[in-house]
Amino acid sequence: SAVISQKPSRDICQRGTSLTIQCQVDSQVTMMFWYRQQPGQSLTLIATANQGSEATYESGFVIDKFPISRPNLTFSTLTVSNMSPEDSSIYLCSAARGANEKLFFGSGTQLSVL
Amino acid sequence: AQKITQTQPGMFVQEKEAVTLDCTYDTSDPSYGLFWYKQPSSGEMIFLIYQGSYDQQNATEGRYSLNFQKARKSANLVISASQLGDSAMYFCAMRRSVGGGNKLTFGTGTQLKVEL
Repeated sequence: SAVISQKPSRDICQRGTSLTIQCQVDSQVTMMFWYRQQPGQSLTLIATANQGSEATYESGFVIDKFPISRPNLTFSTLTVSNMSPEDSSIYLCSAARGANEKLFFGSGTQLSVL
Repeated sequence: AQKITQTQPGMFVQEKEAVTLDCTYDTSDPSYGLFWYKQPSSGEMIFLIYQGSYDQQNATEGRYSLNFQKARKSANLVISASQLGDSAMYFCAMRRSVGGGNKLTFGTGTQLKVEL
C-alpha cells in the first residue's frame, strides 16, 4: 500500500480567500486524484492530477476554481480558489500505482468556509 | 453510466456479531472492480477489500469478506466478529477496468454502529 500524507488536516477560511492543500505519497505513483466530500455526502471526483501536464477535470469542476499541480510522481496540490461557504467539504487526495491497482486515500482536509 | 446503490443509511450490530452491508451496482461494462472503504469520524478513507469482476472466488481480508453475486450485481460486505472500532461509515465503490483510469464511482454509504 501507499502512505499518503495530506495537509493541512483542517482549516477554517474566510470567504473570498484561497487555500492550497498538499498531498505527498511515500513512493512514486502513476495516478493521483482529488475528491470532494460535501457534508453528509459521498465522494465526488474533482480531477485527475497528471504529472507534468494540466489536470483532467470532471464535469462541474473547472481549473479556475480548483487549480491542481503535479510536479512529480509523488506530490500534488489542490487549490480551492475564491472560497464560499458552499466549498465547505472534506477534500481527499488519492493515489494508485497503476490503472488497475488499488486506490489509496490520504487522511483528508476538512475545510470550513465562513 | 455506472451506478452504486447502498440502501442502508444506518446499521446497528452488537459486538462480536457478524453484519452484512449491502451494495448493488449497475454497469454495462464486462470488466470492472468493486471496492469497500471505511471512513471513521476522523475522515480518512481506509481501503478494506477489492473484488474483480472476473475473480472466481469471493475476496477475503481478515474479518472482511465480500459476498459477490455477479448475476444479481451485488457486492455485499460481511464483517465478522464486529468490534467497537468498526463503527464508521462504509462506502462501496466501482471502477471501470477498461478505460476507467482508476476513477471510482461511490455509493452513498452506510453508517455502522457497533454496540456493546
